[in-house]
Order: sequence, then structure tokens, then C-alpha cells
Amino acid sequence: ETGVTQSPTHLIKTRGQQVTLRCSSQSGHNTVSWYQQALGQGPQFIFQYYREEENGRGNFPPRFSGLQFPNYSSELNVNALELDDSALYLCASSLDRGANEKLFFGSGTQLSVL
Amino acid sequence: SQKIEQNSEALNIQEGKTATLTCNYTNYSPAYLQWYRQDPGRGPVFLLLIRENEKEKRKERLKVTFDTTLKQSLFHITASQPADSATYLCAPYGGSQGNLIFGKGTKLSVKP
Repeated sequence: ETGVTQSPTHLIKTRGQQVTLRCSSQSGHNTVSWYQQALGQGPQFIFQYYREEENGRGNFPPRFSGLQFPNYSSELNVNALELDDSALYLCASSLDRGANEKLFFGSGTQLSVL
Repeated sequence: SQKIEQNSEALNIQEGKTATLTCNYTNYSPAYLQWYRQDPGRGPVFLLLIRENEKEKRKERLKVTFDTTLKQSLFHITASQPADSATYLCAPYGGSQGNLIFGKGTKLSVKP
């Protein structure tokens, strides 16, 4: 077990709706990263938060937003859902934001947009 | 743009043999490269990290090499077991935001 938990495990939404996914990092981990993994693909970087500030962002539109809280929890919010947003959403925590940090992933939230 | 290629989508080998997975990257020079294992319905699990100045890294039955000239990493599992069956992801560090970039993965199946 990685000590990273995500909720919910599965979610079904309709196009145009909004969704909030939650993650609880390992205690003491200052960094959380969110990834989107489509079926048959590798995880794609959405963004990273370090000590509650956004620390980097991948090629995702602004309707993907996030928050990180002092209690090692974080959220991924997606507005105006599109069919292509259907994927496994993974959060990963790490001690710090350096290049040599290994990531501890949760089991993900499977989002289906109908 | 930065690109990562893992040798094949699927690799089937017999139990006891050595599995070799390939990761090639282009258009950048990562200082670090990580390998992860992912089982169906689960998040990736960290296996090994290798630095650009290290040629080889070992952990139990796992071995990783990193050739910065060829822009390639090889991942070996010796004496493979059916329990090694999973998808293996290569992740060089160095996205424009300083993030890990993941390959599509290679699905390894070890037959008894």
C-alpha cells in the first residue's frame, strides 16, 4: 500500500457537468501531482501542487483546476465535462518536488462521461 | 516535442526467462529516469530510479540501464515469474514543468 487514497473509486457524469475528485496524500508529503490516464495510454501530467501552490501544469485547459490543503488532502476539479474527459485520474504524492522524487500513486478514480 | 517510446505494447515470455523491456526517448535529455509497475485497475508503483551518471542499477531480480548516448533505458527482470505479469511504465524526468513523462507502457505476460 502506498498510503495514498482517492475517492470516489468510480464516477459517472454527464457532459457539461462539473466533478470534484479527492486525494489524501501520505503524511509529510509536500507535493501532489495529478495525472490523467486514458485506456491503453500512459499517465498524462495535469498539474502539480507544492505546499498549496500550483508548481507546474501540463497541456490541459483551465477547466481543470486543483487545490491542495494543509492536511495533505487535495482536489481535482473539472468543469464543463466533455466525453474525452473519460479516463482514470491518478493522484501521486511525493516528499518534495525534486527530480529524484519517487511518486506514490493512489488507485485512481475512474471517471465516465456520458 | 518530447517523445517516449516503449518497445512494444505486449511481451510474452516463459517463466524463468529474462524479460527485457526497452524505453527510447527523443528531443530531450532527462537527468533521471524511473520505472513503474501498474496492475489492472491500480495506480503505478515505483520500482527503480536511475540517474544520468549511472550506467546500471539493480534491485533483487530487476536491473535497469541508462544509455544517454543512445537515449535509451533497458529494464530487465531475471528469472521471471507469473506474478511479474503487469504493465511496466518508463518515466524519464524533464517535462517542461519539471514533471515525469510516462510512456504508454509494455504489458508483460509471464506464462508458467
